[in-house]
Amino acid sequence: KAGVTQTPRYLIKTRGQQVTLSCSPISGHRSVSWYQQTPGQGLQFLFEYFSETQRNKGNFPGRFSGRQFSNSRSEMNVSTLELGDSALYLCASSDTPGGTEAFFGQGTRLTVV
Amino acid sequence: GENVEQHPSTLSVQEGDSAVIKCTYSDSASNYFPWYKQELGKGPQLIIDIRSNVGEKKDQRIAVTLNKTAKHFSLHITETQPEDSAVYFCAASKGSSNTGKLIFGQGTTLQVKP
Repeated sequence: KAGVTQTPRYLIKTRGQQVTLSCSPISGHRSVSWYQQTPGQGLQFLFEYFSETQRNKGNFPGRFSGRQFSNSRSEMNVSTLELGDSALYLCASSDTPGGTEAFFGQGTRLTVV
Repeated sequence: GENVEQHPSTLSVQEGDSAVIKCTYSDSASNYFPWYKQELGKGPQLIIDIRSNVGEKKDQRIAVTLNKTAKHFSLHITETQPEDSAVYFCAASKGSSNTGKLIFGQGTTLQVKP
């Protein structure tokens, strides 16, 4: 069974630009969660989608948004990028909502310059 | 608010020794406690988990214990090997409730010296 696939692996963007990251969950998994990982703040929850519905959202500004498609693939978008958005963005998939038995992808490393 | 404290932040052991990492959570409604191992350049890998109706779970050299009364849980690695060197994260979740999400500890860097 293929694991969680995140694309792209690396991104360099300029302040003020926007970016879209993609996540394909494990086949059959309908829950996709997104996390931001930084050295200072650690792993922080962004949002969770289950069957195309956002179930939960973390404490991030509205510039961070996401969506999930009918095939369970998910995208997250960050608009008006700031230097502080530089981080590793991780996607996790699960066959049940709420974070149980969540399997992570390798992440997308975003650098904002 | 929801919080998970993890200790120690770094841990160095000799190959063959045991390693113990401890976590404390604040939300008494938490009922699912996974442990993740993250190697350099990779995403976190789920290595073991425990639910609130169980006090201990073991998988080969890895075990996790849970004390719901004290709100803390621990990861035990026996007979450590150099390939166990990585960053380990504990997490807590309320499971499939509407507010379920993983709250992570700050991580423990484990170094196993050959």
